[in-house]
Amino acid sequence: GAGVSQSPSNKVTEKGKDVELRCDPISGHTALYWYRQSLGQGLEFLIYFQGNSAPDKSGLPSDRFSAERTGGSVSTLTIQRTQQEDSAVYLCASSFGGLQGSSGELFFGEGSRLTVL
Amino acid sequence: AQSVAQPEDQVNVAEGNPLTVKCTYSVSGNPYLFWYVQYPNRGLQFLLKYITGDNLVKGSYGFEAEFNKSQTSFHLKKPSALVSDSALYFCAVREGGGGNKLTFGTGTQLKVEL
Repeated sequence: GAGVSQSPSNKVTEKGKDVELRCDPISGHTALYWYRQSLGQGLEFLIYFQGNSAPDKSGLPSDRFSAERTGGSVSTLTIQRTQQEDSAVYLCASSFGGLQGSSGELFFGEGSRLTVL
Repeated sequence: AQSVAQPEDQVNVAEGNPLTVKCTYSVSGNPYLFWYVQYPNRGLQFLLKYITGDNLVKGSYGFEAEFNKSQTSFHLKKPSALVSDSALYFCAVREGGGGNKLTFGTGTQLKVEL
């Protein structure tokens, strides 16, 4: 489709396991964001990619979290040694030119719901 | 640091009545302000934004928002609510001086009843 695609839509894992979440942004969008949505916590910024620039990792909560974006398109968010507090919905968004562009609008995927048992 | 407050976890309104979802913000410099809506089991969708210009901004689905600099508020409004407006609404802010990080509020659940 033409929207932001995320997979898996649901992931149940055991504490201590590693997980990978994938985001396929809208074609042509240069900016890609990861947010985490926890119940009652709103959306928490995790990381931002813009073109070939160094990513803004300031929102990653610990060194167990990492993300990469290959070829300026698909991104993978990796959580190592998962903990129960990592349970949340992980949202990916993309935009053309980042928030400094004329639109400032982010296009969100439907999210990946992670449950750590 | 920039921040957004949505003081109401839930707002209930009867269909046909006007609705208001409140948002206040804190930023240095001029703010860029946004409203997003999240329907059940769906991603967030952009509703409207304020960058500069008229304080009253009109957006999708008949929603509008009023930027009030003195009160640092950006309340979302609609003159006549529909049951289909029931969803989770998020206010967001970005510092006007630059940066690419949107800071979101905790969300307000809107419930429109017949």
